[in-house]
Amino acid sequence: ETGVTQTPRHLVMGMTNKKSLKCEQHLGHNAMYWYKQSAKKPLELMFVYSLEERVENNSVPSRFSPECPNSSHLFLHLHTLQPEDSALYLCASSQDSSGRYNEQFFGPGTRLTVL
Amino acid sequence: GQNIDQPTEMTATEGAIVQINCTYQTSGFNGLFWYQQHAGEAPTFLSYNVLDGLEEKGRFSSFLSRSKGYSYLLLKELQMKDSASYLCAVIPPYGGATNKLIFGTGTLLAVQP
Repeated sequence: ETGVTQTPRHLVMGMTNKKSLKCEQHLGHNAMYWYKQSAKKPLELMFVYSLEERVENNSVPSRFSPECPNSSHLFLHLHTLQPEDSALYLCASSQDSSGRYNEQFFGPGTRLTVL
Repeated sequence: GQNIDQPTEMTATEGAIVQINCTYQTSGFNGLFWYQQHAGEAPTFLSYNVLDGLEEKGRFSSFLSRSKGYSYLLLKELQMKDSASYLCAVIPPYGGATNKLIFGTGTLLAVQP
């Protein structure tokens, strides 16, 4: 247990569906992140939120829409996804979003399959 | 540009020692992390290096040479539970607003009896 939870753990959706991924951290951290992990590829940073403000959007297609209602919760809203979006989506949190040393704590991820 | 290289897979024997290498070419450097990720689980923090040298933590040690753009993770007295993917991640130059980590593809270690 890292103190970061994600739901659902597995999700299968069609290309016309709309779904949301949820992340919650119980660590009192100020920054939260979304990553995409595809097979044989490095973890890719998608979004960074610091104190509920988006501070980084790493050229992610608009079919992925993040939301951070408070510093403990982070959502990723999905709509009209493509099969190549199938991947493990990981949420992480850290004490702050900047600084030379700021360990990130990861959730277990949501395994997404787009049919 | 940013590039991080790790071997894709390694195999080792229970009780042995294994060294997992990571080389990086980044435009600046502000530290390097190693994470462990078991299949279907969250990556978990193993070590952080920002200065040259060896950091030891129990059975795990991590080494950094900034001049060579090189790090390794050393695992001693291997146990079956050490079978996992090991991720190397570099912090690029500080100056932006975010704690952005650049990850390698990870090294999948299989420990055999």
